Amino acid sequence: GENVEQHPSTLSVQEGDSAVIKCTYSDSASNYFPWYKQELGKRPQLIIDIRSNVGEKKDQRIAVTLNKTAKHFSLHITETQPEDSAVYFCAAGGSNSGYALNFGKGTSLLVTP
Amino acid sequence: GAVVSQHPSWVICKSGTSVKIECRSLDFQATTMFWYRQFPKQSLMLMATSNEGSKATYEQGVEKDKFLINHASLTLSTLTVTSAHPEDSSFYICSAVTATGYSETQYFGPGTRLLVL
Repeated sequence: GENVEQHPSTLSVQEGDSAVIKCTYSDSASNYFPWYKQELGKRPQLIIDIRSNVGEKKDQRIAVTLNKTAKHFSLHITETQPEDSAVYFCAAGGSNSGYALNFGKGTSLLVTP
Repeated sequence: GAVVSQHPSWVICKSGTSVKIECRSLDFQATTMFWYRQFPKQSLMLMATSNEGSKATYEQGVEKDKFLINHASLTLSTLTVTSAHPEDSSFYICSAVTATGYSETQYFGPGTRLLVL
């Protein structure tokens, strides 16, 4: 089955700096890679996703890159703000796996003013 | 975006009792729903895939006789934790995939926090 590795487990940056979170996956059949932000006690919220036919996608301060050959994808947050502080999860899955998602272990991001 | 609701939002029960959690897609039809479990400070772990009108598919290590899943309609899936024990205490989250068009986006419910005493 799919195995998703996520690094780092914790990340602390100063407000205004960039944050990068990296994930690798094992199943080459995975074709959908979403990123979720989860605040304490709340549901995961989709912040950006990318499909395997695209190498990069950007939405304002958030971008995701995908390298299918190396089976890794990354989340980039620029100009970080304190409200970006949360746990971020990457996931891999898609139509080839019946849409089931396998999640990374999460990255706790802290943005200090 | 699409809305998924869960009920109840939290439940406290005695060991040995059964607890039913409902997951509803409010403004779309979901042919597939997923059930996840999340322990404190851990990731979401997929428990089972629930397809309307068919038996659920359970992940390895998840007891199908303990976690009963019923997906009776395109908008409702239920998870019943039978004979709950303290180790079943967790945050249970469902998600749903839209049935229309080509979309893999999963919309998550708000979760149900279960505490078994």
